[in-house]
Amino acid sequence: AQSVTQLGSHVSVSEGALVLLRCNYSSSVPPYLFWYVQYPNQGLQLLLKYTTGATLVKGINGFEAEFKKSETSFHLTKPSAHMSDAAEYFCAVSVYNQGGKLIFGQGTELSVKP
Amino acid sequence: KAGVTQTPRYLIKTRGQQVTLSCSPISGHRSVSWYQQTPGQGLQFLFEYFSETQRNKGNFPGRFSGRQFSNSRSEMNVSTLELGDSALYLCASSDTGGSYEQYFGPGTRLTVT
Repeated sequence: AQSVTQLGSHVSVSEGALVLLRCNYSSSVPPYLFWYVQYPNQGLQLLLKYTTGATLVKGINGFEAEFKKSETSFHLTKPSAHMSDAAEYFCAVSVYNQGGKLIFGQGTELSVKP
Repeated sequence: KAGVTQTPRYLIKTRGQQVTLSCSPISGHRSVSWYQQTPGQGLQFLFEYFSETQRNKGNFPGRFSGRQFSNSRSEMNVSTLELGDSALYLCASSDTGGSYEQYFGPGTRLTVT
């Protein structure tokens, strides 16, 4: 069965610092992986996705993530944090052959200090 | 294209009542998935509809049901509401479902008193 673990429910960085949000997955088949961001009182916005091909994927707002099969990881990074990046971030895996079902991690709340 | 819309945005119901939530997907999208988000359980998959058929279902009791219409709009219904049903209900659409990305609506905040 597929599962997703996000390490750290809360991460705090200073403005301009590197953002690193960790995600590990468990999947018996090649996974499709996603990062979503949620701002207060809003739905989820897709940041980036990995399906096949290049393992380093770039997303919106300067975020990128690298799929590492050997480590079963899909960590999200951004070189320089901005105040507007403060939000909750969710890693998700798509369940192959189970229709439109995403399994989400518990989320990581990112705070950005001035 | 317009995004996913959900109505109503906020809802207050009393325990024992039933509620219907509505979701209009992005034009051309045929798959609609529903999720429940709570502080304790996080984001949990409820069910997915594709071309008016329920294609997949999560581990929720039968009080939670849904349907999809020929124009791909979807509704979910919760009967005999319990306090624990208080949550943000999100719907998401995708063009084919499966392993493709889903686009989320703003959610309906349901409070059960």
